[in-house]
Order: sequence, then structure tokens, then C-alpha cells
Amino acid sequence: NAGVTQTPKFQVLKTGQSMTLQCAQDMNHEYMSWYRQDPGMGLRLIHYSVGAGITDQGEVPNGYNVSRSTTEDFPLRLLSAAPSQTSVYFCASSPPLGAREQYFGPGTRLTVT
Amino acid sequence: GEDVEQSLFLSVREGDSSVINCTYTDSSSTYLYWYKQEPGAGLQLLTYIFSNMDMKQDQRLTVLLNKKDKHLSLRIADTQTGDSAIYFCAEMNTGFQKLVFGTGTRLLVSP
Repeated sequence: NAGVTQTPKFQVLKTGQSMTLQCAQDMNHEYMSWYRQDPGMGLRLIHYSVGAGITDQGEVPNGYNVSRSTTEDFPLRLLSAAPSQTSVYFCASSPPLGAREQYFGPGTRLTVT
Repeated sequence: GEDVEQSLFLSVREGDSSVINCTYTDSSSTYLYWYKQEPGAGLQLLTYIFSNMDMKQDQRLTVLLNKKDKHLSLRIADTQTGDSAIYFCAEMNTGFQKLVFGTGTRLLVSP
């Protein structure tokens, strides 16, 4: 099992550009989510999905879109990048039962200039 | 709304015990978690506790939960330099939909 994988690891964008952060998991987890991590603020939930075809907003969804066409993939799209979106982005997945412990990817470090 | 708070920094000597504290506000939390993040890496689940338990032990780790005071702690026995990292407390809400994280406690272990 590769677990949760994210690409790219690093990305620099100019203000106004768009891009997609990729996330995939091979554990057949139904629940997937995206977080951003900023210094001194812990992790904040951007969007999440409880299964293919179902997505919902988290705490800080503005400026981001998601879709979930398959169980394995949960891409995060930045529509028009802004410097405030400079952050480290983590994708996570969890099984539907029990403690629902989340497994995290290694992160994507995004800088918007 | 939900809120999870942690102290920002803890410094201990190698071999000592470390205690990292966390308070939360959501009385309907079902599971509470401790995650570890090493520099440049993602979050690694250390342990979790179900809300109807008050203690869980896993090798060098002991989790204590005081549900009345909404206080969670993580004790690391015989702390090693490899334990230096940021430790995040998190709670799962009753809908099992999302985790709410604290700001993280940076643990520094000196030789």
C-alpha cells in the first residue's frame, strides 16, 4: 500500500494562476479531506468528502473547489491563486467505521507570489 | 463552535517525562486524537481515545481524558531526542465528519 500520496511536493504560482493539487489513496477509504496548515494556526479543514460523488465545505473553503469522481482520488483546485493561499496543504483519508483515524499524505508546499 | 487549545512550546531533557496538555470545547466529541509531525513531514497518528474512556496506555505513551473538564493530556515516558516534533491534539465531532485540530505543541528534547 502506498497510503495517501500527494503531488506535487512543491509549487510556486503567480497571483491569478490556477492549478490542481492531486491526492490519491489506495486503502479504499470512503472519507477524504483537505487541510491547510499555516504557522501558529494548526490545520484547518478546506473541503471533505464522505464518498464518491459527495463533497462538502469545511472551515475555509473560499477560493478552492473539489470533486470526487472516484473513491481513490480527491483533487483540490485553486481557481485564481492569491498570496493568502500560500500554505502547506495536506490531504487525508479515513475508513468509515471505528475510530475514523485519518491517514495523512506528505503535504504540498504552495507559494503564491 | 468547536475549539481546541494547546500550549505552544514544551522543553524537556532526555530521559524525563513530557506532558502535553489540550483543552477542547465540544462536549459531544466522540474520539480524541494525538498526532505527531516531524519537520517537513505529514501528520502521523500516535494514539486516540474514545470519549467514554479516561485513560489509554500504549508503550511509552499515556493518554488521560478528563471529560468533565474537557481536558486531554499526552504523557511521553523516558523522552528521547527523536520525540522532538510538533504534537497536535484533535477531536472528532459526533457526525464523524471532520477533525478539529489544536494549534500544536512544539516539543524540544535536549540531551
